[in-house]
Amino acid sequence: QKEVEQNSGPLSVPEGAIASLNCTYSDRGSQSFFWYRQYSGKSPELIMFIYSNGDKEDGRFTAQLNKASQYVSLLIRDSQPSDSATYLCAEGGSYIPTFGRGTSLIVHP
Amino acid sequence: DTAVSQTPKYLVTQMGNDKSIKCEQNLGHDTMYWYKQDSKKFLKIMFSYNNKELIINETVPNRFSPKSPDKAHLNLHINSLELGDSAVYFCASSQDRFEQYFGPGTRLTVT
Repeated sequence: QKEVEQNSGPLSVPEGAIASLNCTYSDRGSQSFFWYRQYSGKSPELIMFIYSNGDKEDGRFTAQLNKASQYVSLLIRDSQPSDSATYLCAEGGSYIPTFGRGTSLIVHP
Repeated sequence: DTAVSQTPKYLVTQMGNDKSIKCEQNLGHDTMYWYKQDSKKFLKIMFSYNNKELIINETVPNRFSPKSPDKAHLNLHINSLELGDSAVYFCASSQDRFEQYFGPGTRLTVT
């Protein structure tokens, strides 16, 4: 069974810093990966997706994929208190996607 | 204009009852999903439904059954509810197997 591993945290960073969230996956054949943000009591919302090795940037967010190491990361630059949430890493590419347990991020003023 | 909607938002019921949760998407997506998120916030896929093909996560008890009247709707029926079924249930949709859009969730409490 496929697995996606994340450190549950919490990861605490000061406002304005770079938050680095990491994820590893078990299936070497996995092709697509997604990062979702979930505020407490709300539903997950898509932040980024990445299919190719390397970096993908969108505003303050950068997703990184290293297929050789089976590693996905999300960098949040200039972190804001509004970024405080749980970040879920997901492996896609099939009709039974696998989610990690999420990393709680706290950005303190 | 809500993309993925679910009803009801809250559902409180007793053990042994049968209940349904409805989901509708207006994104024109061809794949819909049901997830269960437990008290520890672990999001676990239950079903996906694509072009009338149902794919079931093998760990889901057969008391749970999805029903899709058309491409825009995927309802979840639960028979003989148990205490362990208490959770938040999310519906989601996607185009093929790409990024998913989630509904607001249904908090089910079984007493």
